[in-house]
Order: sequence, then structure tokens, then C-alpha cells
Amino acid sequence: GDSVTQTEGQVTVSESKSLIINCTYSTTSIAYPNLFWYVRYPGEGLQLLLKVITAGQKGSSRGFEATYNKETTSFHLQKASVQESDSAVYYCALGVGPNYNVLYFGSGTKLTVEP
Amino acid sequence: EAAVTQSPRNKVAVTGGKVTLSCNQTNNHNNMYWYRQDTGHGLRLIHYSYGAGSTEKGDIPDGYKASRPSQENFSLILELATPSQTSVYFCASGDARTTSAETLYFGSGTRLTVL
Repeated sequence: GDSVTQTEGQVTVSESKSLIINCTYSTTSIAYPNLFWYVRYPGEGLQLLLKVITAGQKGSSRGFEATYNKETTSFHLQKASVQESDSAVYYCALGVGPNYNVLYFGSGTKLTVEP
Repeated sequence: EAAVTQSPRNKVAVTGGKVTLSCNQTNNHNNMYWYRQDTGHGLRLIHYSYGAGSTEKGDIPDGYKASRPSQENFSLILELATPSQTSVYFCASGDARTTSAETLYFGSGTRLTVL
């Protein structure tokens, strides 16, 4: 089947420190899925943070980066220096299907940035 | 600004009753989706649609029907609600790009409790 695993349910980081949120995926339906990070800020709806459709490529947005690694089937989210405003829940997602529009989401990682 | 509106925001239903969740989008997107999210889990796809009159089964369609009477509206119908369908339901529209991965725009969610 198709699935996404986020091992950390909650992460706490001090402001200005670096961050990595782990995401690994598994798929039996498609060789090269599309990969996404979505984010839910407090009081807001779920929104796209970044996406990558080509293996080996890196996506970036708002200081966050994620590289599509097909060898390790991973799509970890990284940021060099986090801010309090980055506190949110982050979801990794896998896009499969003939149009890559059938998404499988991970369980989410709640990031708390402490001042 | 893309807009996806769900109604109602909260719903309490009785076991065996019929429940209809509504979603309206003003994005003029062809694709629309219904997901559910349970505590500690990621979003799971129930049904989706490629346009008016079209509905497709997602990952967990059992116990749910969907209806897409127009470009703007997409409903999720629980004919015989059960307590296991207690969850938060999210509607999304997708911009169905041909040259890059589709971006989903989510509504704020409907919290359904089946007693």
C-alpha cells in the first residue's frame, strides 16, 4: 500500500535553533510519487508549505527546505533557524494515482518554538 | 483569495440518522476532496471529484456517499451514521495543474459527533 510515517508527534525547539522533522514514505502503486509538506498554523486551515515532484530535487518555502530522496524514501523538513511564528503542525504527504492527486498524509508533527 | 467553506462547523447526530456535510468553493477548481482526520492520525481520503457530476472513491469510502451537483459544491453524505464516523471532516479543492503537482486548498473543517 501507500503510506507516510512521521515518527515525532511533538517537537520543541528554542528560537534560532535548527530543526529537522522526519518523513519517510512507502508506495507500491507508483515509482515516483509527488511529495508535499502541508502546515496548520494555530487558528488557521491546512495550507501547502512546499512540494517536490522530481526525485533528487529540493523544495523550499518560508526558510524551510525538503529534499526528495528516492533511495531512502525520505522527505525530511529542515530549517536552519526557527522562529516562534513557525509553531504549527506539519504534515508530510505523498501524492499517487494517475494524476498524483490522491494524497496520503502522515500523522503530523506539532512544532513548538520556545522564545 | 482561494476560499473553501464548509457547513456546518459542528454537528451532533444520532446513530442511524442521515448526515449531510456541505462544501462550497469559489476557486473555480475542477477537483474537490473530502478527508477525515481522527485524533493522532493524518487525513484520510474518503471521496473526490473531477468536476460536476463526477465522484470517485478514495481510500476509505465505506459508509459514505458523495455528490457533486455543480462546480462549486461537493457534499458528503452519511446515510446511516455510526459512532465510528465521529471525526473531523475536511473539504478541499485542488488546482489540478498539468505541469506541477496540484495544490489543495482546505476548508476549516466540520466536527461531527455521532451519539
